[in-house]
Amino acid sequence: QSVLTQPPSVSAAPGQKVTISCSGSSSNIGENYVSWYQQIPGTAPKLLIYDNSERPSGIPDRFSGSKSGTSATLDITGLQSGDEADYYCATWDVSLNTGVFGTGTEVTVL
Amino acid sequence: QVQLQESGPGLVMPSQTLSLTCTVSGGSMTTGYYYWSWIRQHPGKGLEWIGYVYHRGSAYYNPSLESRVTISVDTSKKQFYLRLTSVTAADTAVYYCARRPNWYFDLWGRGTLVTVPS
Repeated sequence: QSVLTQPPSVSAAPGQKVTISCSGSSSNIGENYVSWYQQIPGTAPKLLIYDNSERPSGIPDRFSGSKSGTSATLDITGLQSGDEADYYCATWDVSLNTGVFGTGTEVTVL
Repeated sequence: QVQLQESGPGLVMPSQTLSLTCTVSGGSMTTGYYYWSWIRQHPGKGLEWIGYVYHRGSAYYNPSLESRVTISVDTSKKQFYLRLTSVTAADTAVYYCARRPNWYFDLWGRGTLVTVPS
């Protein structure tokens, strides 16, 4: 049972924008950086965003992250069929003393 | 380019010990400030962080698994290891090794499915 809550699914048409929320608390998101991962079914997760809003080399700027208080958000603009995947947020929880991942969100391109 | 690859048995009997190896290729384990990590994913479920080891050997574990987990490293072989004792069907999962430069995982192995029959 994760302490970071994400919507189970979001969807939009190609070219549109989706926003994925990650809701936590003062002991996790409120205290630490958030990262985001994309997992295409059958493959390993891939880092999309680190330190709340930084993109690793090779990640297009269609992916952007932000954090405010105890919540974080991942935006995907110019949605493409290749963006269909599960997306997870992650951070450290100082109360549980462990790394925590979000519940995951399935993105569907209509 | 640094790559990670998990290896180990795909089937472990209940009450036995799960042992996996992660081999690091294309780079050094001791350059930089990295924590070498294990993460698992139960079938159809989300991700669960298991723990990590620093190249000098200090390790840290998820408190929920701490009593059964050991993560160790052998930098001369460019490998790190996961050992999980007294497994049950609830330990059936895909196990990933990953590199952690800070509090995020920038490189992942492909994962290996470990099944514990019920």
